[in-house]
Amino acid sequence: DIQMTQSPSTLSASVGDRVTITCRASQSISRWVAWYQQKPGKAPKVLIYKASSLESGVPSRFSGSGSGTEFTLTITSLQPDDFATYYCQQYKSYPLTFGGGTKVEIK
Amino acid sequence: EVQLVESGGGLVKPGGSLRLSCTGSGYSLNNAWMSWVRQAPAKGLEWVGHIKSNTDGGPTDYAAPVKGRFTISRDDSKNTLYLQMDSLKTEDTAVYYCTTGPKTTVVTQSYYYFDLWGRGTLVTVSS
Repeated sequence: DIQMTQSPSTLSASVGDRVTITCRASQSISRWVAWYQQKPGKAPKVLIYKASSLESGVPSRFSGSGSGTEFTLTITSLQPDDFATYYCQQYKSYPLTFGGGTKVEIK
Repeated sequence: EVQLVESGGGLVKPGGSLRLSCTGSGYSLNNAWMSWVRQAPAKGLEWVGHIKSNTDGGPTDYAAPVKGRFTISRDDSKNTLYLQMDSLKTEDTAVYYCTTGPKTTVVTQSYYYFDLWGRGTLVTVSS
């Protein structure tokens, strides 16, 4: 199984900050990574697919990069609506696996 | 509005069974690859398993913790996906989401991420 190791697990930041979340795969997954945002009591929402493609309707302050085993999600200017938990997910092979999540909190 | 709607969750005793349903509203499940993803209380997301479309042969695949106990099936005539859960354990307590998304095929391999999710249904396994 491919393990997805996400860091940090918690991140404290202020509105306007640039935020970077990292995900490392236990083996190469090319660019088959998606990033999701989840708010309490809600279903996840996809932000990025295929490592760097922005899902339709998602603000351009979100971006993704990486390939192989190292991936990052960047929020260029954190907004109040962005305080949430973020997950990476590999969809290269089965079982599909998620990272452990990064909770972005208000500093 | 395009949505997936789960139902069938509830309280069940360890060793019991439950069947979840996921119906497409404004969305045709026909030709869609469908997954179930769960989230235990205050925990992260865990993929449970999936079923390919009938046009792709309809095979299923499961995560190790549920293999042999859970069965995913579909009835495209009813636009519904199912998750039959048997021999339930307390650690199966979670919100269960059905989800799907666009499929990309490269040579003989297909890949899909999740851009449409249901609201989830809570399954509680407790005596």
